[in-house]
Amino acid sequence: QSALAQPASVSGSPGQSLTISCTGASSDLGGYNYVSWYQHHPGKAPKLIIYEDSNRPSGISNRFSGSKSDNTASLTVSGLQAEDEANYYCSSYTSSSNVVFGGGTKLTVL
Amino acid sequence: QVQLVQSGAEVKKPGASVKVSCKASGYTFTTYDICWVRQATGQGLEWMGWMNPISGKTDYAQKFQGRVTMTRNTSISTAYLILSSLRSEDTAVYYCARDFTGLGAFDIWGQGTVVTVSS
Repeated sequence: QSALAQPASVSGSPGQSLTISCTGASSDLGGYNYVSWYQHHPGKAPKLIIYEDSNRPSGISNRFSGSKSDNTASLTVSGLQAEDEANYYCSSYTSSSNVVFGGGTKLTVL
Repeated sequence: QVQLVQSGAEVKKPGASVKVSCKASGYTFTTYDICWVRQATGQGLEWMGWMNPISGKTDYAQKFQGRVTMTRNTSISTAYLILSSLRSEDTAVYYCARDFTGLGAFDIWGQGTVVTVSS
């Protein structure tokens, strides 16, 4: 199972919005509504911020939103804040009843 | 509060095995699957497999088939990861996580266990 494809890095200024893409295949991301997104600060445990393509867990800011079209999922972070600087990973349930992660995207707040 | 607490750091020699524990508290352990994810230094997250705590049924990533075992002791709400035939490439932080949907949404994570494989 190949990793989902994410850009290595994205950057934006405080207050701006940016989007991170995550591309897969019909056997994973495109075939199910089970994409999750995680925020990962180095040295800490990953944090679930989106599940089932577009749902936010309780306590997650509405500045984070998820969407999906065909084989590509997207995470949008609006109103960028310094604390949003982290690594972001997408993941998807697969046809093999497994889970596959993306390679990760480093978000830098300028 | 709901949490997963993992065992401490390990240093192992190549060819050895390691056993990492993950103790659940604040919820009923048998309600949700437990998965294991690792991150090598400078690399991304890698899903290793998951286990149903009630039945003990497991599903492993193909990459780890034959080398990984995930077990549990329900009486103490603890899951275990055993990785054998260790090599230097297995040096990583290993996380356990709770799957609250049963379809790959990991909402509670352990703090991570550093496993170092070195001769």
